[in-house]
Amino acid sequence: SYVLTQPPSVSVAPGKTARITCVENNIGSYSVHWYQQKPGQAPVLVIYYDSDRPSGIPERFSGSNSGDTATLTISRVEAGDEADYYCQVWDRSSDHVVFGGGTKLTVL
Amino acid sequence: EVQLVESGGGLVQPGGSLRLSCAASGFAFSSFWMHWVRQAPGKGPVCLSRINSDGSGTSHADSVKGRFTISRDNAKNTLYLQMNSLRAEDTAVYYCARGFGVYGDAFDIWGQGTMVTVSS
Repeated sequence: SYVLTQPPSVSVAPGKTARITCVENNIGSYSVHWYQQKPGQAPVLVIYYDSDRPSGIPERFSGSNSGDTATLTISRVEAGDEADYYCQVWDRSSDHVVFGGGTKLTVL
Repeated sequence: EVQLVESGGGLVQPGGSLRLSCAASGFAFSSFWMHWVRQAPGKGPVCLSRINSDGSGTSHADSVKGRFTISRDNAKNTLYLQMNSLRAEDTAVYYCARGFGVYGDAFDIWGQGTMVTVSS
């Protein structure tokens, strides 16, 4: 089955750039979506189809996907970006939607 | 306002049943795929079930196949999840989510979640 591997935690200083990875063999051939989840709240879609941003999501959020790694990049990180982030794909071969294990972003 | 509101969660004994509902408003419910996603305390989300826009096609995760059934009533703008033979490991917050995109595989709108606790 498809397993998406994310680092458990990423720390970044305010104003700097955070990069969160999502690794699986040949993930570049899949469409990757990213979600932000703050404590006690439902997840929020921040990037879809690798690099598109829903309306209302700041341009500071961007995504890329190639080879074995998809990356969520958050530029000019703010304290309000502190949250858990999850990558997600739809594995067509098994018809299963798969989430990564999540990455806790800490703003120092 | 585009909104999803879940209801029906609660405390249930192992082996028991619950039916969750998800009321949709503010968008053309009958045009979208819909999903149920759960999240156990301290864990990541897990997609359980999916249903296409007219209700003719469904898919369930292996962990709930044969126990859970997703359905929808487009006339009532409501999504359902019938959960039978509940186990302790089914304890989680259950979310409904709207499927977005060509294959409805990105979840752009989520409900606030409803807690299901399976315990004796």
